[in-house]
Formats: sequence, C-alpha cells, structure tokens
Amino acid sequence: ETGVTQTPRHLVMGMTNKKSLKCEQHLGHNAMYWYKQSAKKPLELMFVYNFKEQTENNSVPSRFSPECPNSSHLFLHLHTLQPEDSALYLCASSQDIVLADTTGELFFGEGSRLTVL
Amino acid sequence: QKEVEQNSGPLSVPEGAIASLNCTYSDRVSQSFFWYRQYSGKSPELIMSIYSNGDKEDGRFTAQLNKASQYVSLLIRDSQPSDSATYLCAVNSASGGSYIPTFGRGTSLIVHP
Repeated sequence: ETGVTQTPRHLVMGMTNKKSLKCEQHLGHNAMYWYKQSAKKPLELMFVYNFKEQTENNSVPSRFSPECPNSSHLFLHLHTLQPEDSALYLCASSQDIVLADTTGELFFGEGSRLTVL
Repeated sequence: QKEVEQNSGPLSVPEGAIASLNCTYSDRVSQSFFWYRQYSGKSPELIMSIYSNGDKEDGRFTAQLNKASQYVSLLIRDSQPSDSATYLCAVNSASGGSYIPTFGRGTSLIVHP
C-alpha cells in the first residue's frame, strides 16, 4: 500500500468510448503525475500537476484530458483513443516539484491497465 | 532531450552473487538520482536515492554515483530470487524552475537458485 490508489485497475474500451481514470493520494503531497508505460519503453511522462496547477504537458494528444480538482485527486479523461494507446497508466505523487532531493521520490499507484479495441 | 540509458538485459546472476546494474545520463547538471524496483505486473517502488558522489549503502543495496562520468550504479549483494525484477534508474534535472524525473527503460534482473 503506497498511499496512492488508482481505479479502475483494468479497462477495456472501444475507440469511440469515453472513459476516465481516477487517482487519489493520501500522503499529503502537492504534486501528482500521469505516466504511460508501454512494453519495452521507458516510462513516459504525460502530465504533472503541482498544487492542482498543470506544470507539464509532455506533448500528449488531446484525446487525453487531465483534470486535477485538488491536490489529492487526479483524473485522466479518455476519448476516441487508438489501439496504440493500450498501455499501463500510472499515477504518482511526490512532495513537490521544486526541491531537487525529494521530487524524484515518487509514490506510484498500482496502475490502470488500458486496452483499446 | 534528457536521456537516461540502461542496458535492458536480462542480467542473470546466481543466488548469493553480486548483481551490478548500471545507468548513464546525458544532462550534466542533474542533481539527484533514484533507483526503483518494479516486479512483473506491479508498479515501481523507490528503493534507493543518492545525491552526492560516492557510495550510499542500505542493507544489501549500494548506490554509487560519479557525476564526472555521468554514471550511477546499483549493487545488490547476496542476491536472492526475490530480487528478480526490473530496476529503473531515474534522474532529476531542473526544467524551468521545477524538477521532473526522467526514467530509463529499466534492466531486467533474474536471480536463479
């Protein structure tokens, strides 16, 4: 138990569906992240929020839409996805993004395994 | 483009041996370095962090950092089958006033009995 909870753990959707991934952290952290993990590839940073303000958008297609209503919750809204978007989507949190020492100490959720048909 | 390079492996070592995992990075001004362990089907978990040149030991794990060579390594002594996992190297660099870690693709370690 890392203190970061993701739901759903598994999701199968068609290319025309709209779905959302949810992440909640109970660690009192100020920064939250979405990463994509595909087979044989490094973790790909998608979005970063610090104090619920988006600080990074790593050239992510608009079919992925993040939402951060507060520092404890993070959503990833999905619509008109492609089969190549099938991957493990990991949410993480850290104390903040302005201190070099602690920022890399990420706490990950268990991930949401997405399959796009 | 900041890059973190790791040999994808697999690295196979016998039980009880020392496993040596290596990582190089491209951003010379990187300031902090992390090793994560990821078991198959699970999410990454932080096992070591190191911020200054030299060695840092924690139980069976030793992280080594050489900023001049832009090289960080992880040694696992007395390797156990339960250490079999993918080990991810992460490097923290400043970007516009904030620090966002960049991950390598990971090295798969297999410890056989």
